[in-house]
Amino acid sequence: AQSVTQLDSHVSVSEGTPVLLRCNYSSSYSPSLFWYVQHPNKGLQLLLKYTSAATLVKGINGFEAEFKKSETSFHLTKPSAHMSDAAEYFCVVSELRQAGTALIFGKGTTLSVSS
Amino acid sequence: DGGITQSPKYLFRKEGQNVTLSCEQNLNHDAMYWYRQDPGQGLRLIYYSQIVNDFQKGDIAEGYSVSREKKESFPLTVTSAQKNPTAFYLCASSMTGRNYGYTFGSGTRLTVV
Repeated sequence: AQSVTQLDSHVSVSEGTPVLLRCNYSSSYSPSLFWYVQHPNKGLQLLLKYTSAATLVKGINGFEAEFKKSETSFHLTKPSAHMSDAAEYFCVVSELRQAGTALIFGKGTTLSVSS
Repeated sequence: DGGITQSPKYLFRKEGQNVTLSCEQNLNHDAMYWYRQDPGQGLRLIYYSQIVNDFQKGDIAEGYSVSREKKESFPLTVTSAQKNPTAFYLCASSMTGRNYGYTFGSGTRLTVV
């Protein structure tokens, strides 16, 4: 079974400083990996995805993630945090199931941004 | 604009009652999914469907049921057998295949009173 582990349940940064949200994955085959963001009481929005093309993936709102097979990691970064980045972030892996595929979510990292 | 509509946004249910959550999409996606979200637990898969008239149990299907009679619709029934139904429920849809991300609805918050 595929799985993801988000290494921090809560990250706090100051506005204008870099953001790093850490994610390790476990997969028996070349994985498809995603990062989603959820603002309070809202649905989820896709930030970016890795599907075995370029290892450095650029997403929306200035976020990017690097796939490192040797470290089984897919960390999310942003050079400069903005107040509007405060939200919950999920690292996600796609898993083959009996019928089709399903996305398996990590437990989430809450990002707080202070002024 | 295409998207996924979940209704209602908030739902209150008395213990012992069944309740059905609606999910409709106009994205022409074949696959649809139901997830449950609890604080600190991430999202957990309840049921999923890749095509009309077929669906599969996810990781926490006990106490839930679904139907997929139309491509656009994937309603979820929370039955009285679900021991802890109070949660935030999210519906999603996608093209089939593991490289596609999901489009999510805005969710239904169910509270058992």
